[in-house]
Amino acid sequence: NAGVTQTPKFQVLKTGQSMTLQCAQDMNHNSMYWYRQDPGMGLRLIYYSASEGTTDKGEVPNGYNVSRLNKREFSLRLESAAPSQTSVYFCASRRGGRATDTQYFGPGTRLTVL
Amino acid sequence: AQTVTQSQPEMSVQEAETVTLSCTYDTSESDYYLFWYKQPPSRQMILVIRQEAYKQQNATENRFSVNFQKAAKSFSLKISDSQLGDAAMYFCAYRRSNYGGSQGNLIFGKGTKLSVKP
Repeated sequence: NAGVTQTPKFQVLKTGQSMTLQCAQDMNHNSMYWYRQDPGMGLRLIYYSASEGTTDKGEVPNGYNVSRLNKREFSLRLESAAPSQTSVYFCASRRGGRATDTQYFGPGTRLTVL
Repeated sequence: AQTVTQSQPEMSVQEAETVTLSCTYDTSESDYYLFWYKQPPSRQMILVIRQEAYKQQNATENRFSVNFQKAAKSFSLKISDSQLGDAAMYFCAYRRSNYGGSQGNLIFGKGTKLSVKP
C-alpha cells in the first residue's frame, strides 16, 4: 500500500516550458487535491477534484490546469512555466463522504523555474 | 473567508520539556474541523492530531494534546516530553464540515518551526 505517490520528486524548468506533475493514490479515495507550498507560507490549494470526473479551482489556480484521469490519478499541468511557479507541490487525497476523514499527502515535488 | 494564523514563526524547546504552539482562526461557521500537521525535513506532511468543533473534549494523541477554545477561536498544540524527532515545521489547518457543500479543502496557517535542543 503506497498511499499517495508523486512524480517527479524534483524538476528544473526554463521559463516558458511545460510539464505535468503526476499524482496517484491506491486508497480508493474519491477526492484529490493539489497544493503549493512557498517559503514562509502554508500550503495553498490550487485545484481539487471532489470525485472522478469533476474538478474545481482552489485559491491559486492561475497558470495551472488539472486532469482527473480516473479515480486513482490526478495530474497538474503547467502550460508555460514562470519563475513565480517555483514551489513545492503536494498532492493529497481523501475518501470523502465522511466529515471526519483525513487528508493524506504525497511526498511533494520540488519545482524550480529558471 | 476562513483564515488561520500562527503567530510564532519559530519556537525552541529543551529535550524532555513541554512546548505549546499557538493557532487562531477566523470563521463564521459553527461546524468545522481543526488539524495539526507536522512537516519534518523530509517534506512529508504528517497528521498529528485532529479536533472536531462540536466536541468539547480536547483531543489527545500520546504526547500531543490540544487546547481548543471555540469561543476564542484558539487551537493550541501542546507537546509533552519533547523528543529530538519532534523537530519540524508544524502547521495548523482548518476545514469546513462536509455539510453544506464543502469539498474538504484544508486552509493552512504559515507554520511554526520547532527546534528541540538536546
